[in-house]
Amino acid sequence: DTEVTQTPKHLVMGMTNKKSLKCEQHMGHRAMYWYKQKAKKPPELMFVYSYEKLSINESVPSRFSPECPNSSLLNLHLHALQPEDSALYLCASRRTGKERGYTFGSGTRLTVV
Amino acid sequence: GESVGLHLPTLSVQEGDNSIINCAYSNSASDYFIWYKQESGKGPQFIIDIRSNMDKRQGQRVTVLLNKTVKHLSLQIAATQPGDSAVYFCAEGFQKLVFGTGTRLLVSP
Repeated sequence: DTEVTQTPKHLVMGMTNKKSLKCEQHMGHRAMYWYKQKAKKPPELMFVYSYEKLSINESVPSRFSPECPNSSLLNLHLHALQPEDSALYLCASRRTGKERGYTFGSGTRLTVV
Repeated sequence: GESVGLHLPTLSVQEGDNSIINCAYSNSASDYFIWYKQESGKGPQFIIDIRSNMDKRQGQRVTVLLNKTVKHLSLQIAATQPGDSAVYFCAEGFQKLVFGTGTRLLVSP
């Protein structure tokens, strides 16, 4: 298995809803990432987990709450989002150590209404 | 702060031509660079990478050149095909990736 799987592929949520995005990989990668990508823009880093511990938070608002329950799974919990949070949310993983290649999932297209 | 930028937002080529996509970076300590291809509705797809101890690396139909003196890298695609049409990003980093602004490559038959 050489993929990063993200679910759901599409999500529409209201500003008062609570939802979660899920990311899964079975490549044994111990670094996992959340990126946010607005239309016609490059991906922007949100969070980095290394060995299931949060190592980087790029000053992301608290309405985004990441969670890494085990080495294969990464969640992003969403609460009280704003319409400007609508974007493609990408998950990536990387094998730690000398290997530097990142593998990206296809993303969750989020629309906040 | 760190930044990785691209010179051209859109590149239009004819099928069969060679394409060159350029990227400038500002962090002289950068030691690892990756080129990604992103098609509409999909995540970034790895194309080729290069470490700072190299100045050239070749893959299948693609070549990456790195000029550390002027902090510039380029992606060359040989015999460009319609399936190469996408947005191409350069990215730099080890523990975290910093992406450039992207170049849209349009290949016409």
